[in-house]
Amino acid sequence: AQSVTQLGSHVSVSEGALVLLRCNYSSSVPPYLFWYVQYPNQGLQLLLKYTSAATLVKGINGFEAEFKKSETSFHLTKPSAHMSDAAEYFCAVNQGFQKLVFGTGTRLLVSP
Amino acid sequence: NAGVTQTPKFRVLKTGQSMTLLCAQDMNHEYMYWYRQDPGMGLRLIHYSVGEGTTAKGEVPDGYNVSRLKKQNFLLGLESAAPSQTSVYFCASSYIEEDTGELFFGEGSRLTVL
Repeated sequence: AQSVTQLGSHVSVSEGALVLLRCNYSSSVPPYLFWYVQYPNQGLQLLLKYTSAATLVKGINGFEAEFKKSETSFHLTKPSAHMSDAAEYFCAVNQGFQKLVFGTGTRLLVSP
Repeated sequence: NAGVTQTPKFRVLKTGQSMTLLCAQDMNHEYMYWYRQDPGMGLRLIHYSVGEGTTAKGEVPDGYNVSRLKKQNFLLGLESAAPSQTSVYFCASSYIEEDTGELFFGEGSRLTVL
C-alpha cells in the first residue's frame, strides 16, 4: 500500500530563513505526490504536485519540491520564509481514483 | 463561484444521536470524498464516490453511511454518534480526467460528540 511519512510535527523558522519540510513515500509503482497547505480554520488547498513530468516541481507562494527516487523523498522547500507561510502542510500520495493518502502533517511556525 | 460547501459548520451531539453532514459542489465534479481530520493523524478517508449513485468505503468507514443521489451532493450520516467520532470533517471533490490528485476542499465541519 502506498503511504507517506512526514518527519517532524512542528518546524520553527525565522522570517527570511529557509523552509524545509520533509516527506518520504512508500510506493511500489511510480507515485503521484502532492503537498497541500491548510491555513487556520480552512480546508486544504493544493500547493504543488509531482506527476512524473519533472523532478523539480514549482508551486504557489514560492514553494518547490524535488522528487528523489533514490531517497524516496519529496521534500518541500522555500528559500525565504514569510509570516504568511505559517500553516499546516500535508504531503499526500494518490492511491488511484484520486484517493489521496495524507501524512500526519507538519505545522510551520514563523517568528519575526 | 462557491466551490465546495459544507453544512453545518459546527455541531454538538450527545452520544447515540444521529445527524447528517451535507456537502455540495458546483464544479460538476464526478468524484467526491469525505475525510476526517484528527490531531496528529492527518486526514483519513471515510467514504468516497466516483459518480452519482455510487459509493465506496475508504480507510475508516465504520459508524458512517453515505449517499450520492445527486451528482452535486454527497451526504455523510452518523446513525448513532460516539465520542470517538468527535472530529473535523472535510468534504472534497475532483475531476475524473487525469488521475492527478487535485482535490478541492470545503472549509470543514467541526463535530463534537458528548
